[in-house]
Amino acid sequence: GAGVSQSPSNKVTEKGKDVELRCDPISGHTALYWYRQSLGQGLEFLIYFQGNSAPDKSGLPSDRFSAERTGGSVSTLTIQRTQQEDSAVYLCASSSGLAGARTDTQYFGPGTRLTVL
Amino acid sequence: AQSVTQLDSQVPVFEEAPVELRCNYSSSVSVYLFWYVQYPNQGLQLLLKYLSGSTLVKGINGFEAEFNKSQTSFHLRKPSVHISDTAEYFCAVRSRGNEKLTFGTGTRLTIIP
Repeated sequence: GAGVSQSPSNKVTEKGKDVELRCDPISGHTALYWYRQSLGQGLEFLIYFQGNSAPDKSGLPSDRFSAERTGGSVSTLTIQRTQQEDSAVYLCASSSGLAGARTDTQYFGPGTRLTVL
Repeated sequence: AQSVTQLDSQVPVFEEAPVELRCNYSSSVSVYLFWYVQYPNQGLQLLLKYLSGSTLVKGINGFEAEFNKSQTSFHLRKPSVHISDTAEYFCAVRSRGNEKLTFGTGTRLTIIP
């Protein structure tokens, strides 16, 4: 597609349930990022994938959060045993992966709004 | 470590008036700087970026920003705002060698007719 797509656009779940959020990056982009946007914390980095390298997981807030990227394209962010404080908009971004290049801008998807009841 | 400060959480401006949204950053190494805009119920859209070279960068929708290394600032300006500029604006920094974007807390720009 022309841009980064994310699904679902909205997700309501009950506390304690697991959720999976999906991101389809721009075709050909090797770098993929997950961020979280919440009222209390603003925009926070979660995890970064670059090609076949080990992901940078330094922003994941707890071990209930994990992400994978299959075939170097689609990524899934999984939150296990959801808590109310996980309620936020989860944003995915992709970039060409050419670090330092003028074209290496992160392009964001529309986000998934997660509400944990 | 890198950080971004947007001191103004909300900025009301009359239509056709000029606006400046302030951004200051902190980093121990060279940086790339970005401004993103988020319209209501939409994702983040890149307005402009500073990578190197000319310190005055022009972006979409008539916005521009100036990188000031001595003041560690990257303020966003527009000479005449329109109702359609109502949105939240985020300043972000990425240090060279670091792939993560660090965002400021955002400035909500409200245009008064």
